[in-house]
Amino acid sequence: DGGITQSPKYLFRKEGQNVTLSCEQNLNHDAMYWYRQDPGQGLRLIYYSQIVNDFQKGDIAEGYSVSREKKESFPLTVTSAQKNPTAFYLCASSPGPHYGYTFGSGTRLTVV
Amino acid sequence: AQKITQTQPGMFVQEKEAVTLDCTYDTSDPSYGLFWYKQPSSGEMIFLIYQGSYDQQNATEGRYSLNFQKARKSANLVISASQLGDSAMYFCAMSSNFGNEKLTFGTGTRLTIIP
Repeated sequence: DGGITQSPKYLFRKEGQNVTLSCEQNLNHDAMYWYRQDPGQGLRLIYYSQIVNDFQKGDIAEGYSVSREKKESFPLTVTSAQKNPTAFYLCASSPGPHYGYTFGSGTRLTVV
Repeated sequence: AQKITQTQPGMFVQEKEAVTLDCTYDTSDPSYGLFWYKQPSSGEMIFLIYQGSYDQQNATEGRYSLNFQKARKSANLVISASQLGDSAMYFCAMSSNFGNEKLTFGTGTRLTIIP
């Protein structure tokens, strides 16, 4: 079945470490997105990519980086510059306007 | 800039009753899309229903319908005959028809169905 796979489901990061969240899709969607979810704040856009080898900053890109070397993959790196990284991270993909998103099951990142 | 407002942080509804979740939006784009998603406690986001700004009729998907009032800039979700499995967070979102498909989300409404 087609879908989006996010891994790991739970991730623990020490202060000062970079960590990478994986997002893979087999839906043949061109566009992919990363959102952050904090309690009471809904979803906020971190980065998005509409085509391979191109990506754009979202509303809260500081402290994050992405790459889009393959259509199927859109990994997110949470760098040590992100001061408050503890959150639930959701990856999504879309085939185009008005189709909405297909979401992965999320990664819960905790700083220890 | 686009903005979505959901003013009901939480709602409690008796099983089998209908429920309306409010959503208002603000945009200067002439063409846009409106979406509702359900997020159970497991965390995944489930697409429920879509309404285009130029659609003449309100969207319906099974027990879900979208009460779209363009002049009032509202896109309320109506769930008929609520079930215990409807207990979840519900998010309203909108997209612009111009440039890209990124969605702007509201802060959500937590719906609890009471047996």
